[in-house]
Amino acid sequence: NAGVTQTPKFQVLKTGQSMTLQCAQDMNHEYMSWYRQDPGMGLRLIHYSVGAGITDQGEVPNGYNVSRSTTEDFPLRLLSAAPSQTSVYFCASRMLGRTNTEAFFGQGTRLTVV
Amino acid sequence: KQEVTQIPAALSVPEGENLVLNCSFTDSAIYNLQWFRQDPGKGLTSLLLIQSSQREQTSGRLNASLDKSSGRSTLYIAASQPGDSATYLCAVRHGTNAGKSTFGDGTTLTVKP
Repeated sequence: NAGVTQTPKFQVLKTGQSMTLQCAQDMNHEYMSWYRQDPGMGLRLIHYSVGAGITDQGEVPNGYNVSRSTTEDFPLRLLSAAPSQTSVYFCASRMLGRTNTEAFFGQGTRLTVV
Repeated sequence: KQEVTQIPAALSVPEGENLVLNCSFTDSAIYNLQWFRQDPGKGLTSLLLIQSSQREQTSGRLNASLDKSSGRSTLYIAASQPGDSATYLCAVRHGTNAGKSTFGDGTTLTVKP
């Protein structure tokens, strides 16, 4: 089982560049989400989706776009990278419809914006 | 707004000691609570999930408890080993099955041989 796969693992961007962080899961999970993890601020929710074609904003959505065209994939787009977006990004997925649904996380993408 | 606090931020113990990690939350209307482990430079690995109707869950040397009325959860680690060294995070899911989760900042545990 691959679980949740994120690519790339590391990325350096220049201010103003755009890029897409990829996230794919093979567990047929309806719910997918993106977090950023910063020292002293814990994990903060950027965007989430409860199924294909449905997305919504989390706690810190500004500067990021998402789409969910398939159940498996949930890419995160940085429109115009800023140094404040330097962080570690995690994608997570879980099932809906059951009470004991654990969340599964990818290995993270470490992004540096210079 | 739900706030999740984990105290202490760091803990160092000798190998073999039993220990307790704490997680407190401000809004008791939770759906479930999940404990994770994070190794340096890695993603989060699920350890235990406690539903709001449950009081505790056990897996091997780990036992997690939940007291919704007091807004607290504890993660008990028995007979700690150096391999247990990691950061432990708790996450509280709000309200419903599709609810968002709020994470604590974590407790970084070091188990000395």
